[in-house]
Amino acid sequence: ETGVTQSPTHLIKTRGQQVTLRCSSQSGHNTVSWYQQALGQGPQFIFQYYREEENGRGNFPPRFSGLQFPNYSSELNVNALELDDSALYLCASSIAGGLNNSPLHFGNGTRLTVT
Amino acid sequence: AQSVAQPEDQVNVAEGNPLTVKCTYSVSGNPYLFWYVQYPNRGLQFLLKYITGDNLVKGSYGFEAEFNKSQTSFHLKKPSALVSDSALYFCAVRDGNAGNNRKLIWGLGTSLAVNP
Repeated sequence: ETGVTQSPTHLIKTRGQQVTLRCSSQSGHNTVSWYQQALGQGPQFIFQYYREEENGRGNFPPRFSGLQFPNYSSELNVNALELDDSALYLCASSIAGGLNNSPLHFGNGTRLTVT
Repeated sequence: AQSVAQPEDQVNVAEGNPLTVKCTYSVSGNPYLFWYVQYPNRGLQFLLKYITGDNLVKGSYGFEAEFNKSQTSFHLKKPSALVSDSALYFCAVRDGNAGNNRKLIWGLGTSLAVNP
């Protein structure tokens, strides 16, 4: 089975720009969640998608938005980038968006640098 | 409010010795507890989880963790450490009674260094 893949691996953007990060979920997984991990910190939950709809969100402003496609892949979009958005963005897939105590399977992340 | 504390930024242990990485949590309902490991420049890998049942949970790579409700702890353990266990370890908790709340709360991580 294929694991979670994220693209690109690294990205440099300028403050005020917009960015789209992509994630392909693990085969058989229908739920995707996104996390932001700043240097030296634990992951911070951004949001989760199940059956193409957002079904959970953390404390992130609306300029962080996402999509899930029929094949369960997902995008994270960030508008009006700020310097503090520089971080490793992790995508994780899992099975069944219900109780969701199934383990998360993470990609290797996209390292975003905002200058 | 939910929270997770990993009181040690770094743990150093000699190869072959037992290791413990500590985690304490706070949730209002029943805790769902997880341990993940992160190697440099990689995503996180699932090690083990406690949802219900036996307090001692066995996971990947010889790791285990013990759920202690009275101490609200979920310490990660391994009887004999390997140099290849050196990595960043994260504890995470979700409130099992939180209904549709999908949010996992993560600790800040503990860097484990196993010395040969």
